[in-house]
Amino acid sequence: AQSVTQPDIHITVSEGASLELRCNYSYGATPYLFWYVQSPGQGLQLLLKYFSGDTLVQGIKGFEAEFKRSQSSFNLRKPSVHWSDAAEYFCAAMDSSYKLIFGSGTRLLVRP
Amino acid sequence: DAGVIQSPRHEVTEMGQEVTLRCKPISGHDYLFWYRQTMMRGLELLIYFNNNVPIDDSGMPEDRFSAKMPNASFSTLKIQPSEPRDSAVYFCASSPEGAVNYGYTFGSGTRLTVV
Repeated sequence: AQSVTQPDIHITVSEGASLELRCNYSYGATPYLFWYVQSPGQGLQLLLKYFSGDTLVQGIKGFEAEFKRSQSSFNLRKPSVHWSDAAEYFCAAMDSSYKLIFGSGTRLLVRP
Repeated sequence: DAGVIQSPRHEVTEMGQEVTLRCKPISGHDYLFWYRQTMMRGLELLIYFNNNVPIDDSGMPEDRFSAKMPNASFSTLKIQPSEPRDSAVYFCASSPEGAVNYGYTFGSGTRLTVV
């Protein structure tokens, strides 16, 4: 069955430190891949997406993600985290059905 | 662009009552999706529409749940009768035809509490 896995439930980083959130997918073919962010009490905002081509994609708020076909991964990174980045991050995948399947999310905590 | 508009933002109801959640998609968006978010199950796709027609309702948990899209600018998700285990945040999202694989735009959600 198609699935998206985010192995880390919580991650805590210090402000100014680098960040990497992990995501793995299980699909028959390479799906479209997405990262969304959800602040408390808010909806989901699209950070970035990957379809094909360059495996390093840039998004909003200084985030980037790298697609690695060999590892079925699409990890999210940021070189320097700000306190305002504290939120929950969701990796998601979509195939030709247009159904967006989400991972379980990773909650990011930022230490001052 | 007002985005995807959901109402109400919060709903508290008693077990057994009917609950109706509402969604107004972004004008011109041909796809509409309903999701449910809970701590235990995360974000689950319940149903989605294309041009007002339900395409896939395989995620609807039970017959107590129903969704309609009478026109391009309005959709409802109804639970009748409601149960405490239906307590969750319900999100609506929309996307334009030809760009649905660019991701959806989500509303702010309706937090439903059934007591």
